[in-house]
Amino acid sequence: TVLTQSPGNLSLSPGEITTLSCRASQSVNSNYLSWYQQKPGQAPRLLIYGASSRATGIPDRFSGSGSGTEFTLTINRLEPEDFAVYYCQQYGNSLYTFGQGTKLEIK
Amino acid sequence: EVQLEQSGAEVTKPGESLKISCKASGYTFSSSWIGWVRQMPGKGLEWMGIIYPGDSDTRYSPSFQGQVTMSADKSITTAYLQWSSLKASDTAIYYCARVRGYGGYAVYFDYWGQGTLVTVSS
Repeated sequence: TVLTQSPGNLSLSPGEITTLSCRASQSVNSNYLSWYQQKPGQAPRLLIYGASSRATGIPDRFSGSGSGTEFTLTINRLEPEDFAVYYCQQYGNSLYTFGQGTKLEIK
Repeated sequence: EVQLEQSGAEVTKPGESLKISCKASGYTFSSSWIGWVRQMPGKGLEWMGIIYPGDSDTRYSPSFQGQVTMSADKSITTAYLQWSSLKASDTAIYYCARVRGYGGYAVYFDYWGQGTLVTVSS
């Protein structure tokens, strides 16, 4: 299953709201769709699993939704520390795939 | 506290062998899958494979099957990733991560190591 994220790059200001998209080439079990944040020089961090469940310690301004082939990550009231690269990831048929990432930059 | 501590950066030459490690602590090592993920310079994340330390059951991505070998030593709660003959194109950061899930399926990566930079250059 190929995951395509859009947009590839996004420039926004702190305080704004943004929605990142992850589209799958075939239907994904929503229990098996996750989102990660990666800042420069750091390892990825799990944000969302099961399409909509926040991982431990993740602020509630992060939310995930979707089903089938369309999933979204919404970040409300962007904070300076939210500017990073975001990846979606799915599990299916004993394989794991990541999207190519969306880079969220400060305008 | 779950922690995954990876071995330090490596600089090697093409054709050489290499084994990097991932030391786990803070949870029952033998009861959770460990995954390996590659990140080439300036690129995204690529899943390489997973290993279940309890019985060393291993699943490889088709892209990495035959290119690397994963192993684990329960006695020292450490997972390994090794190459027998490195290529320049293996230059990347390699992350280990604990894999969790539900219903008997390991589906997401909840804790990550800090990464090991492997540089292959003549």
